[in-house]
Amino acid sequence: GAVVSQHPSRVICKSGTSVKIECRSLDFQATTMFWYRQFPKQSLMLMATSNEGSKATYEQGVEKDKFLINHASLTLSTLTVTSAHPEDSSFYICSARHRDNSPLHFGNGTRLTVT
Amino acid sequence: DAKTTQPNSMESNEEEPVHLPCNHSTISGTDYIHWYRQLPSQGPEYVIHGLTSNVNNRMASLAIAEDRKSSTLILHRATLRDAAVYYCILPGYGGATNKLIFGTGTLLAVQP
Repeated sequence: GAVVSQHPSRVICKSGTSVKIECRSLDFQATTMFWYRQFPKQSLMLMATSNEGSKATYEQGVEKDKFLINHASLTLSTLTVTSAHPEDSSFYICSARHRDNSPLHFGNGTRLTVT
Repeated sequence: DAKTTQPNSMESNEEEPVHLPCNHSTISGTDYIHWYRQLPSQGPEYVIHGLTSNVNNRMASLAIAEDRKSSTLILHRATLRDAAVYYCILPGYGGATNKLIFGTGTLLAVQP
């Protein structure tokens, strides 16, 4: 079945540095990918919609200059957390569909810890 | 997206059936009903989806009320591995750009 791979699974970085998270669709092409963030004991919060070949669409309240999204190919979207701070520590999850109106397939998430 | 309402938590015993309810009284005619689950420290996993008729797959069954204002996810024999948060979502209709907005879901505990 369709698989979405996310890398890295865990990352620890120092405050002020930037971290890049990759999301790949392994056996299908995805013109649209979605990025979510999840804090402990909370539900997933949609951050942005990543569009291949064009700008990402950010949800209200998400800073586009802080969370840079690049969807340069049909199988890869990246999320870069710039100038990370401890409050950015969270579980980041990407997802994609392999065809219109089909269910979403999710990556296994990236646990970001900012020290 | 149409809103869904689920109980915060439920408990089940291992090898017994589990019925997880979801209310979606504002559902529109083109809304599919999707169920996902999230195991601890993992990304969500697709479980099942349907439009009007009841649906079965290897993981679960989905029973949809005749008026479509509610649905029930049925796990026929719960195992310890089924302990997860279950989300009922109505993503609407819009092709590949359809986004999923997650509610709080139901935390299912399975007792041995």
